[in-house]
Amino acid sequence: EVQLVESGGGLVQPGWSLRLSCAASGFTFDAYAMHWVRQAPGKGLEWVSGVTFNSAYIAYADSVKGRFTISRDNAENSLYLQMNNLKPEDTALYYCAKDGSGSSWYEFDFWGQGALVTVSS
Amino acid sequence: SLELTQPPSVSVSPGQTASITCSGDKLGDKYVYWYQQKPGQSPVLVIYRDTKRPSGIPERFSGSNSGNTATLTISGTQAMDEADYYCQAWDRSTAHYVFGTGTKITVL
Repeated sequence: EVQLVESGGGLVQPGWSLRLSCAASGFTFDAYAMHWVRQAPGKGLEWVSGVTFNSAYIAYADSVKGRFTISRDNAENSLYLQMNNLKPEDTALYYCAKDGSGSSWYEFDFWGQGALVTVSS
Repeated sequence: SLELTQPPSVSVSPGQTASITCSGDKLGDKYVYWYQQKPGQSPVLVIYRDTKRPSGIPERFSGSNSGNTATLTISGTQAMDEADYYCQAWDRSTAHYVFGTGTKITVL
């Protein structure tokens, strides 16, 4: 059974940093691309970032580019999102999602339960 | 850049057919994915690569994509299908994924 468990969320002040983690199990982690998707309270889904199976290709939404860094540790079956210079508009539930492919990006076939990030003074 | 527009809400009677549209420039040239999200739950993939159903998704869910519009159709809608539905596509021009604005399906 595929499981994605996010951790590392919390309440931080504007300008602070936070690192989210996603522990994966139930599938061959190093064969699939992975993504982060966020959802602000009461709002729709927003893709944040993605990484191919071997970290050869990484992309970010314009709203986070230069502030967020995605990474993965295939030996640890883990995905990360380092978030720097956080802003109130980054407040959201952050989902880790598995891609249906490795090197090409397609559907998000499994999602975690999400980690809540609140940015407020 | 690509924008995906969905109707905010669709109402349907139990047993009837619900259709949700997703509009975007030359959407038919791209793969479209559909997700179902029930209150307090994570999204679930219901249609991928325009027309394919993942394992475990009921046959009443189907998808199509042509021109500038993709459509998710739920045939014989059930109360359990009440949820928000989002379309998604890859925007080659920006190398970004884009989600649609979301549609709330209400089964009356």
